[in-house]
Amino acid sequence: KAGVTQTPRYLIKTRGQQVTLSCSPISGHRSVSWYQQTPGQGLQFLFEYFSETQRNKGNFPGRFSGRQFSNSRSEMNVSTLELGDSALYLCASSSAPDIYEQYFGPGTRLTVT
Amino acid sequence: KQEVTQIPAALSVPEGENLVLNCSFTDSAIYNLQWFRQDPGKGLTSLLLIQSSQREQTSGRLNASLDKSSGRSTLYIAASQPGDSATYLCAPRLANAGKSTFGDGTTLTVKP
Repeated sequence: KAGVTQTPRYLIKTRGQQVTLSCSPISGHRSVSWYQQTPGQGLQFLFEYFSETQRNKGNFPGRFSGRQFSNSRSEMNVSTLELGDSALYLCASSSAPDIYEQYFGPGTRLTVT
Repeated sequence: KQEVTQIPAALSVPEGENLVLNCSFTDSAIYNLQWFRQDPGKGLTSLLLIQSSQREQTSGRLNASLDKSSGRSTLYIAASQPGDSATYLCAPRLANAGKSTFGDGTTLTVKP
């Protein structure tokens, strides 16, 4: 069974631009969560989707948004990029929320210049 | 707000030693707790998941315990190997919040 895939793996953007990151969960998994990882803040929860509905959202500004499609693939979008958005963005999938094991993808390394 | 603390922050041991990594959390109303390892620049690899009703889980040389009432979990690694060198993260899943909260991790170095 293929693991969680994230595209692109690396991205360089300029301040003020916007970016879209993609996550394909493990086949059969319907829950997708997104996390931001930085050296200073560690792993911070962004949002969680289940069956195309956002269940929970972390404490991030409205510039961060996401969605989930009917095939469970998920995208997250960051608009008006700031230098502080440079981070490793990780996606995790599970069969369903809360009680099942989470499996993480390799991440997308975003650098904002 | 769930606070997760992992002690020690870093650990260096010679190959073959048994070791214990500690994780404490402030809110015991959790569904489960998951342990991960992360290699530099990579994603997280799931090691063990302990449900709130369980006391421990084992996988190969790894054993994780959970004491939910006291807000503590430990990860025991037996007969450590250089390939075990990585950062180990614990993540309790808070009930009614729909998210996992991560500690800052313990960075383990196993020297040959």
